[in-house]
Amino acid sequence: KQEVTQIPAALSVPEGENLVLNCSFTDSAIYNLQWFRQDPGKGLTSLLLIQSSQREQTSGRLNASLDKSSGRSTLYIAASQPGDSATYLCAVPYGGATNKLIFGTGTLLAVQP
Amino acid sequence: NAGVTQTPKFQVLKTGQSMTLQCAQDMNHEYMSWYRQDPGMGLRLIHYSVGAGITDQGEVPNGYNVSRSTTEDFPLRLLSAAPSQTSVYFCASSYGGAPGTQYFGPGTRLLVL
Repeated sequence: KQEVTQIPAALSVPEGENLVLNCSFTDSAIYNLQWFRQDPGKGLTSLLLIQSSQREQTSGRLNASLDKSSGRSTLYIAASQPGDSATYLCAVPYGGATNKLIFGTGTLLAVQP
Repeated sequence: NAGVTQTPKFQVLKTGQSMTLQCAQDMNHEYMSWYRQDPGMGLRLIHYSVGAGITDQGEVPNGYNVSRSTTEDFPLRLLSAAPSQTSVYFCASSYGGAPGTQYFGPGTRLLVL
């Protein structure tokens, strides 16, 4: 069964620092991998989606990479800002349907001004 | 577009009561899903649908029913509420094909006493 792990569970950094969030998965036969952001008391917002044939995706200060062979994805946030404070979740589809997602338990990020 | 909408935002039930959580999307998405989010457990898939008239069980379907009579709506029914169903419920939708980006609603907080 696919398992998704995110380390660390929580991270606190000073403003301006570059940081990396990690996501690991046990079954490399994935269709895609998606990174989400969740603010307290809110729903999930999709940040980046990487198809299985891609190695990375970029959006503004965010860059997500995917290494299927090692079962890892990283989310790189450049020049972090207090507004980046949130929980970051990664998820992969399973069982042949792209809307059947298995989520990691997330990394709670705090960016200190 | 309103995106994915969920009602109610918050609900308190007594054990044994039934209720329906509403989910609607105006993006003409084929795929819709329901997740619950619990502390320490992350998000888990309850039920999902790949089109009108087609539904299937996810990871934690017991105690919940769904139907998909239209493309736009995907209600989740709690048959006889139990305290273990206290959670935050999220509805999501996406196109049927690639890339598979999931769009989430704002969530419904449910407290079962």
